[in-house]
Amino acid sequence: SQTIHQWPATLVQPVGSPLSLECTVEGTSNPNLYWYRQAAGRGLQLLFYSVGIGQISSEVPQNLSASRPQDRQFILSSKKLLLSDSGFYLCAWKTGRNTEAFFGQGTRLTVV
Amino acid sequence: KQEVTQIPAALSVPEGENLVLNCSFTDSAIYNLQWFRQDPGKGLTSLLLIQSSQREQTSGRLNASLDKSSGRSTLYIAASQPGDSATYLCAALRSLADSGGSNYKLTFGKGTLLTVNP
Repeated sequence: SQTIHQWPATLVQPVGSPLSLECTVEGTSNPNLYWYRQAAGRGLQLLFYSVGIGQISSEVPQNLSASRPQDRQFILSSKKLLLSDSGFYLCAWKTGRNTEAFFGQGTRLTVV
Repeated sequence: KQEVTQIPAALSVPEGENLVLNCSFTDSAIYNLQWFRQDPGKGLTSLLLIQSSQREQTSGRLNASLDKSSGRSTLYIAASQPGDSATYLCAALRSLADSGGSNYKLTFGKGTLLTVNP
């Protein structure tokens, strides 16, 4: 069966520090991968998506970047965190247009 | 630009009641619509996926309907239970503009916070 792992579950980082959040998918190949952010009182915002290794597209300009070094690994990074980067980050995957999207358990990031 | 709205923002009902959650979307050119459940501090759990060609989907006590032409979907929960308490999110799927049709974007509503009281 397919599963998705995200870590860490929670993270408290000072302003200006780097960030690396990791997401891995098991039980499927060549998934479409997504990073979403959920801020308090707001809906989920798509940050990045990837259709394959090394292929990254950004939905909104921001302080973050993403990479996909392996087929089932998706990494969200920042060189210097801002207070506004705080939020709940969710990784998701789909294998096709007519299939369900599945989400990880999320990472709660607090920038202090 | 797709916008998804969910009404009501919050709903509190007594146990055993049947209830309806509403979702509307502005761009009817969607491939499908997916309903999710989110427990506090957790990720999203998929409940139902309804394709644009379908009118409804059922899973246990849940029934989702889709009226693509009017831009509306509903999630019906029968005989609600305290364990159903959570935030319910709907998301509409369409192609990403620069993907040549190879990638898709889920646009989410802000959710309905459901509380079922014992």
